Amino acid sequence: DAKTTQPPSMDCAEGRAANLPCNHSTISGNEYVYWYRQIHSQGPQYIIHGLKNNETNEMASLIITEDRKSSTLILPHATLRDTAVYYCIALHEKLTFGTGTRLTIIP
Amino acid sequence: GAVVSQHPSWVICKSGTSVKIECRSLDFQATTMFWYRQFPKQSLMLMATSNEGSKATYEQGVEKDKFLINHASLTLSTLTVTSAHPEDSSFYICSANNLIAKNIQYFGAGTRLSVL
Repeated sequence: DAKTTQPPSMDCAEGRAANLPCNHSTISGNEYVYWYRQIHSQGPQYIIHGLKNNETNEMASLIITEDRKSSTLILPHATLRDTAVYYCIALHEKLTFGTGTRLTIIP
Repeated sequence: GAVVSQHPSWVICKSGTSVKIECRSLDFQATTMFWYRQFPKQSLMLMATSNEGSKATYEQGVEKDKFLINHASLTLSTLTVTSAHPEDSSFYICSANNLIAKNIQYFGAGTRLSVL
């Protein structure tokens, strides 16, 4: 599985859009980009995934660059409940979790 | 979304005893389930892949005789930590692949094991 790189931490003001970047420069053509988040002491929660095209669901939007070497997860209107560790994973066969980005939403 | 139930959520046991953790997919069938372990302030580490009706596949460094995995049905996988020791204290999390729902992997809430 391709390695992903994420900033260790980010802050975002409540009500603003949270943009979480992820680099996956070695991603192969058949590897999807998955995003999960983990709120303290809970199991990871699926957010969204994509291959080439941008994706949107009720939780977030996923923007994947044309060369697929990086992506951005967008939480459009962050709330305090969005405070969590966010994991970007390039999936081929198994989910391999890196260290993720600890997102803190500031009131 | 799909629901994965994990039980118990929290267990304390004496050193040397065995502990069984159950993972159930409540509203979908899962031929493949996964078991992870997470130590404090660390990321999730995949321990093994549980395959319905066949032997589990363990990741390198994970003792198969210590962490027994059984996947007897399409909705249930169990992890038994045998002869538990304090160093086995951790947060154990299972997940299941929902093949119908774009093969998304859904996670249980986790089991916190404390070995005294």
